[in-house]
Amino acid sequence: EAQVTQNPRYLITVTGKKLTVTCSQNMNHEYMSWYRQDPGLGLRQIYYSMNVEVTDKGDVPEGYKVSRKEKRNFPLILESPSPNQTSLYFCATRGSYGTQYFGPGTRLTVL
Amino acid sequence: DAKTTQPNSMESNEEEPVHLPCNHSTISGTDYIHWYRQLPSQGPEYVIHGLTSNVNNRMASLAIAEDRKSSTLILHRATLRDAAVYYCILYSGGGADGLTFGKGTHLIIQP
Repeated sequence: EAQVTQNPRYLITVTGKKLTVTCSQNMNHEYMSWYRQDPGLGLRQIYYSMNVEVTDKGDVPEGYKVSRKEKRNFPLILESPSPNQTSLYFCATRGSYGTQYFGPGTRLTVL
Repeated sequence: DAKTTQPNSMESNEEEPVHLPCNHSTISGTDYIHWYRQLPSQGPEYVIHGLTSNVNNRMASLAIAEDRKSSTLILHRATLRDAAVYYCILYSGGGADGLTFGKGTHLIIQP
């Protein structure tokens, strides 16, 4: 079954404590991206990757890092989380005709 | 980016057809029309896409106006599980851009 998985699904942490949200896909898609979703602001793209070792900033990249060392994985790294990064995060891949496949989401709370 | 306009919310009864409209008057000739939906507490889910002709799949039908300035997502027989936010999005193909999600239409299904 075609899948995008994210871990953890829920995370509560404190300001400044580094964390990583993992994303993995089994569809062999080259393009992967991260979005955050906030009430009233909709879905906004954080970072994207066109292929292995190729990453670039989306609309709201401040405070985040990503890496793409292998095709299936695209982790999102928060080196020093702050409360304004409390949000719902989605990883997505892109297939043919631009169809995007989203993961189940990670709800992050930074205290 | 070409924008889309959708009603904020719509209400329908269970087991009746639902027609969700979308206006995209500035669409370009190469833009695909995509529809996604987001159920409560889940990631966005691809529904259907089209370019010029009407399209059908197991989830829905997409009717595209002849001038392509509007489209309608048709759920033939709504169920309570179809209650979600529906997003109409234009995708120009390839490149680095992610999808630009607007506010979408909140579809309410009454039993």
